[in-house]
Amino acid sequence: AQSVTQLGSHVSVSEGALVLLRCNYSSSVPPYLFWYVQYPNQGLQLLLKYTSAATLVKGINGFEAEFKKSETSFHLTKPSAHMSDAAEYFCAVGTGGFKTIFGAGTRLFVKA
Amino acid sequence: NAGVTQTPKFQVLKTGQSMTLQCAQDMNHEYMSWYRQDPGMGLRLIHYSVGAGITDQGEVPNGYNVSRSTTEDFPLRLLSAAPSQTSVYFCASSYSGYTDTQYFGPGTRLTVL
Repeated sequence: AQSVTQLGSHVSVSEGALVLLRCNYSSSVPPYLFWYVQYPNQGLQLLLKYTSAATLVKGINGFEAEFKKSETSFHLTKPSAHMSDAAEYFCAVGTGGFKTIFGAGTRLFVKA
Repeated sequence: NAGVTQTPKFQVLKTGQSMTLQCAQDMNHEYMSWYRQDPGMGLRLIHYSVGAGITDQGEVPNGYNVSRSTTEDFPLRLLSAAPSQTSVYFCASSYSGYTDTQYFGPGTRLTVL
């Protein structure tokens, strides 16, 4: 069965520091992988998605993620955190059967 | 384009009451889905639809019904509300389902007393 594990329910970084949010997945078929962001009291919006065209995927707001098949990982990074990056981030895997499985989410705190 | 719209934004029900959460999209997407979001559990799929007249169960379907009579609308019905259904509900749509970006509505915050 497909699953998604996000390591760390909360991550705190200082403004200007590297952001690293971890995601591991399991899938019996080549996966479609997504990162979504949720700002307070809003719905989710897409940050980036992996669809097998390139292993390094660039998204909006300076975020990027690298697909590593050998590690079954799809970690999200940003070189320099901004206060506006404070939000909850969800990793998701698109499976067969028209379903998308979401991780439990990681809340990012950015300290001034 | 309005995207995905949901009504109401907030709702309080008493145990045993029924209600319908409305969802509509104007992007002509075939695939629509309902999720519930609970703290520490991410989003869990309740029901989904791959086109008008076609629906199927997700991970947590008990206590909920759906129908899809048009491409645009995908209402979620709570048959007899229970406190365990207190949650934030999101509707989403996409062009082609699990391979594609999902577009989410703003959510409905439901409290069942």
